[in-house]
Amino acid sequence: EAQVTQNPRYLITVTGKKLTVTCSQNMNHEYMSWYRQDPGLGLRQIYYSMNVEVTDKGDVPEGYKVSRKEKRNFPLILESPSPNQTSLYFCASSLYGQTNEQFFGPGTRLTVL
Amino acid sequence: DQQVKQNSPSLSVQEGRISILNCDYTNSMFDYFLWYKKYPAEGPTFLISISSIKDKNEDGRFTVFLNKSAKHLSLHIVPSQPGDSAVYFCAGNAGNMLTFGGGTRLMVKP
Repeated sequence: EAQVTQNPRYLITVTGKKLTVTCSQNMNHEYMSWYRQDPGLGLRQIYYSMNVEVTDKGDVPEGYKVSRKEKRNFPLILESPSPNQTSLYFCASSLYGQTNEQFFGPGTRLTVL
Repeated sequence: DQQVKQNSPSLSVQEGRISILNCDYTNSMFDYFLWYKKYPAEGPTFLISISSIKDKNEDGRFTVFLNKSAKHLSLHIVPSQPGDSAVYFCAGNAGNMLTFGGGTRLMVKP
C-alpha cells in the first residue's frame, strides 16, 4: 500500500531534550516536506527536500533540522525543543514537479513541557 | 501576515444542499490553488486544484472557482453529503512551496 508513515504518532517530552520524528514513504517520491498545524494558522511548511541531499527552508524553520540521506526517509530533528514547538506535525511527499498533490502522513502530536 | 486566509472557521449545511467554502489570498505569485480535506486523526488528502490561468475546475461534486482580480477562490460541493464533514484547507502553490489557509470545518447534517 502506498503510504507515508511517521513515528512516533504521539510524543510528550521536556524542554531541551533532543528528539527525532521519522518520516518514510514507499512511493519513490523525490519531494518530501514537513508541516506543523496550529489552530487558526493552518499548515505551515517547516522544511522541504527536492531530492536526496537537497533541503531548503520553508516558512517556519527556526528550531528544526532535517536531513535527506535516502530518498525514502526525511527525519525532522528538534535539537532543543521548546514549549512553542508543541504542535501537530505532518510529513508529506510527492513526485518532483507535482507538489500540488502531496501525500500526507497521519501526523505526530508533539507536546513539549 | 497570512498569505492565504479562510475567514469562516466553520460552516454547517443540510445534506443535499450546496456547500460553499471561501478563500482569499494576497500572493500574486501563486500559480496553482488547491483544496485539501482533512478528517480527524488523519493527514490531509488532496481534493482538487486549479491553475491560476483558469477560472473554473470541476471534478464530480466538487467545483473550484477562481477570481484572480478579487484574489478569491471558492469550493462548491453539490450535493453535500454527511461524509463530506471534515476540515477543508485551501492552499496556494508558488515554486515548490504550498501556503495553506487556516481551514474551515464543514459539518453536513443528515
